[in-house]
Amino acid sequence: DAMVIQNPRYQVTQFGKPVTLSCSQTLNHNVMYWYQQKSSQAPKLLFHYYDKDFNNEADTPDNFQSRRPNTSFCFLDIRSPGLGDAAMYLCATTVYKGYNEQFFGPGTRLTVL
Amino acid sequence: AQSVSQHNHHVILSEAASLELGCNYSYGGTVNLFWYVQYPGQHLQLLLKYFSGDPLVKGIKGFEAEFIKSKFSFNLRKPSVQWSDTAEYFCAVTSNTGFQKLVFGTGTRLLVSP
Repeated sequence: DAMVIQNPRYQVTQFGKPVTLSCSQTLNHNVMYWYQQKSSQAPKLLFHYYDKDFNNEADTPDNFQSRRPNTSFCFLDIRSPGLGDAAMYLCATTVYKGYNEQFFGPGTRLTVL
Repeated sequence: AQSVSQHNHHVILSEAASLELGCNYSYGGTVNLFWYVQYPGQHLQLLLKYFSGDPLVKGIKGFEAEFIKSKFSFNLRKPSVQWSDTAEYFCAVTSNTGFQKLVFGTGTRLLVSP
């Protein structure tokens, strides 16, 4: 089945230790998004890619970076995780053409010790 | 900037009760509207969406929503809830242009007791 896959599902890291979260999709969608969802809050958009064009939200901390080496894969790098970065990280994809929903992956729950 | 308000943060219902979850958005242009559901431990799934046409939209699992443009509202309804509807429900909006940046409401946590 075509889908959005995120690995790992659970990630534990130490304060300040870089971590990378992975997202892959078999939908061949040209837009990919990363959201951060903290407990009992709405998902908040961090950035998105349209093909290889990277678009950062104005309030996304510099500590968060992303890479998209090809259509299928997108990575979220957190350079120096703080306790406040503990959250669920959601990847989503869509086709850029006006009227389409976003398809979400299962998320990676990040714990920072 | 777009924003979405969900007025009910927690709702508790008994099975077979009717459900209505409120959603209001603020945006002056044409919007696309969505309701997503997140079951415990699962990923966000689309319940229904409105892009244009009939303002009464039917989704999966017996849910429907009505777009009332004059009220900037997109309330979610279900005539008879089941225990399996226990989940968190998010209303979301995108503008009709650009890269469909979803703006979510804060969510409503629904608990259905058997």
